[in-house]
Amino acid sequence: KQEVTQIPAALSVPEGENLVLNCSFTDSAIYNLQWFRQDPGKGLTSLLLIQSSQREQTSGRLNASLDKSSGRSTLYIAASQPGDSATYLCAVRLYNQGGKLIFGQGTELSVKP
Amino acid sequence: EPEVTQTPSHQVTQMGQEVILRCVPISNHLYFYWYRQILGQKVEFLVSFYNNEISEKSEIFDDQFSVERPDGSNFTLKIRSTKLEDSAMYFCASSLETEVEAFFGQGTRLTVV
Repeated sequence: KQEVTQIPAALSVPEGENLVLNCSFTDSAIYNLQWFRQDPGKGLTSLLLIQSSQREQTSGRLNASLDKSSGRSTLYIAASQPGDSATYLCAVRLYNQGGKLIFGQGTELSVKP
Repeated sequence: EPEVTQTPSHQVTQMGQEVILRCVPISNHLYFYWYRQILGQKVEFLVSFYNNEISEKSEIFDDQFSVERPDGSNFTLKIRSTKLEDSAMYFCASSLETEVEAFFGQGTRLTVV
């Protein structure tokens, strides 16, 4: 059974710092992995989708990497800003399961001015 | 930018009552999903729906739950007889295909009292 784990559960950094959020999954047979942002009491905003055949994907200050064989993905945020404060979720999509996403528990990020 | 919209944003209901949560997916999307997030827990998959049929469902999605696409735009989740443990944030999502990026709505917070 696929399990997705995110470390750390919470992270507090000063503004301007570069940071890395980690996601690990137990079954490497994934189709792709999607990173989301969730603001308190709000919905999920898709940040990046990285296919199993890709090593990394970039959008602005965000860079996601994927090492499928070791069951790991990282989300790198450059030059963090207070507006980046949110919970970051990773989710894996398996083959032939109707598009189902399996989520980690998230990393709650706080960027202090 | 197209988005998934959910109504209501918050619903309070008495235990044992039926509730219907509504979603309008992105117009050209073909695959529709419901997820839920109990406070402080992971986002959990409930069901995926394609071509007017359930394509995948989780163990959570028992006989108390049903989904429907009553017309060309709405996608609904019905809980027949709500329990206290059904209190959660319910998210609707849609995608063009099963293996591509899914877009989520802002959620409906269901409180069962």
